[in-house]
Amino acid sequence: DGGITQSPKYLFRKEGQNVTLSCEQNLNHDAMYWYRQDPGQGLRLIYYSQIVNDFQKGDIAEGYSVSREKKESFPLTVTSAQKNPTAFYLCASFGGYGYTFGSGTRLTVV
Amino acid sequence: GESVGLHLPTLSVQEGDNSIINCAYSNSASDYFIWYKQESGKGPQFIIDIRSNMDKRQGQRVTVLLNKTVKHLSLQIAATQPGDSAVYFCAENRGTGFQKLVFGTGTRLLVSP
Repeated sequence: DGGITQSPKYLFRKEGQNVTLSCEQNLNHDAMYWYRQDPGQGLRLIYYSQIVNDFQKGDIAEGYSVSREKKESFPLTVTSAQKNPTAFYLCASFGGYGYTFGSGTRLTVV
Repeated sequence: GESVGLHLPTLSVQEGDNSIINCAYSNSASDYFIWYKQESGKGPQFIIDIRSNMDKRQGQRVTVLLNKTVKHLSLQIAATQPGDSAVYFCAENRGTGFQKLVFGTGTRLLVSP
């Protein structure tokens, strides 16, 4: 089945550490996105990529970085510069008949 | 400014009732709207969408209404079931050349048996 796979489902980060969240899709979609969701809030756009080797900042990119070396993969790194990283992170892709979302990664700072 | 808002943060209904979830949007240039259902700890699940050249679209037990004059969107769920309990988001699709979804804060639907 086609879809988006995010891993891990739960991730714990110590203060000052960088962590990378994985997002893989087999939908052959060109566009991919990372969103952040805080409790009781909607989704806010962190970064997006329209095509391989290209990506753009979204509304809340500070403290995050991404890469897009392959069409299928769009990993998100949460750096130590992100002061409040505890949140639910969602990856999405767009193409064909619309948006598809992954099942999310819950990141907690310990 | 950019905003997609919801009038009611929580909606409680009885099983079998019809539910109506409302959403206001601010960008009159938006041309595509989507309703999502999100259960706890999961990603958003597509429910129904509508383009700006339509004012109504029906799916299975769900109907979306779009009023461009007042920039208002609603989701109607017929014969609401306990399994419909979730947070519902409207999202507004914007972008010239690039598709970007702007989400509202969500409405929690609670369905009592």
